Amino acid sequence: AAGVIQSPRHLIKEKRETATLKCYPIPRHDTVYWYQQGPGQDPQFLISFYEKMQSDKGSIPDRFSAQQFSDYHSELNMSSLELGDSALYFCASSGEGGQYFGPGTRLTVL
Amino acid sequence: DAKTTQPNSMESNEEEPVHLPCNHSTISGTDYIHWYRQLPSQGPEYVIHGLTSNVNNRMASLAIAEDRKSSTLILHRATLRDAAVYYCILSGPGGTSYGKLTFGQGTILTVHP
Repeated sequence: AAGVIQSPRHLIKEKRETATLKCYPIPRHDTVYWYQQGPGQDPQFLISFYEKMQSDKGSIPDRFSAQQFSDYHSELNMSSLELGDSALYFCASSGEGGQYFGPGTRLTVL
Repeated sequence: DAKTTQPNSMESNEEEPVHLPCNHSTISGTDYIHWYRQLPSQGPEYVIHGLTSNVNNRMASLAIAEDRKSSTLILHRATLRDAAVYYCILSGPGGTSYGKLTFGQGTILTVHP
């Protein structure tokens, strides 16, 4: 069965640079969620989209923005990167029964 | 958001049943009880969810107290692949636009061969 696809899987950036993470949900899933998991921490909800509209917002910094496109894929844009942004970023899409998570993008900010 | 309380860690032997408890005394009438697990170096994985009645699926069973202030995730025969952090989360029905998950401290399950 098709799963959630995230790209890239690994990303290394310098401080103050910009990063773009992409998420391709499971086909026919209309809702996408973004989560951030810092080292040794639990996942934290950032933002979600339903039918291409923002549906909920969590503790997402103003430096971050996201959108969902007409093909339902989503992108998380992160600017002015800080050392503390180093984390695993998970995307999930929802369907019958719950949310299905992708493998994550590991972002390292040097 | 309503809060859940889980033990920090639990241990089990392979092929034995495991009962993972969760307390949610402030649960509201519209909160669903969701269980997710996260294996090392992987994204969280949906396990099961329910509202009032006990639920069974191929992965596990969910037993919900009559007053809904607690629940128990039951793994009928633990395997080494079940070693993970298990999260009990209160949220919307699932598969909806308002179903954000608030991960708190979960239970680290260790399975011994």
